[in-house]
Amino acid sequence: GESVGLHLPTLSVQEGDNSIINCAYSNSASDYFIWYKQESGKGPQFIIDIRSNMDKRQGQRVTVLLNKTVKHLSLQIAATQPGDSAVYFCAERPGGSYIPTFGRGTSLIVHP
Amino acid sequence: GAGVSQSPSNKVTEKGKDVELRCDPISGHTALYWYRQRLGQGLEFLIYFQGNSAPDKSGLPSDRFSAERTGESVSTLTIQRTQQEDSAVYLCASSPQGGTNTEAFFGQGTRLTVV
Repeated sequence: GESVGLHLPTLSVQEGDNSIINCAYSNSASDYFIWYKQESGKGPQFIIDIRSNMDKRQGQRVTVLLNKTVKHLSLQIAATQPGDSAVYFCAERPGGSYIPTFGRGTSLIVHP
Repeated sequence: GAGVSQSPSNKVTEKGKDVELRCDPISGHTALYWYRQRLGQGLEFLIYFQGNSAPDKSGLPSDRFSAERTGESVSTLTIQRTQQEDSAVYLCASSPQGGTNTEAFFGQGTRLTVV
């Protein structure tokens, strides 16, 4: 599992670069995964989800990759824009459970 | 409204007082969640409601915390005898059903400060 601390992992990128945000999940029984974006002062906003029977799913400028062997999830953002600056959370949901468990989050900072 | 609505947006209270936080889920959503988010940290599950089933209270940190929901509508989270460690953003989310492949939609949160 992830350790808890006051400082989030931070990823700094230049506008136009591709960003990759990683997440290690803990429960091998999880079969549904979600990425959320949280801007300052707002609630988390759904970005993209993926089921465990898939290893890749694409959205608009975003791609989620799932590696069940090593329990790893990643979010790729193409042509990152300043508006993408936010904290990104992955969430996992074990099969049969209705309760998503969230990771600690990664802060993405996009420099113009 | 179109989204999950929480009130108040901000609440400052004195240590030892009780507070009540309100959540209006998206109309028709049967599942409702409460999470707590401390500064710089992830979301900590508190309680889950699904329709008229008994709520899952496994995340409530102490007996000072309680929540109610009337049918599939408004929910209130009550914190009694607030402590400084209760200071956090309290987030509510709803989803169309309790199914395992449905994302939750979040409100903007209530920022609680206990002084």
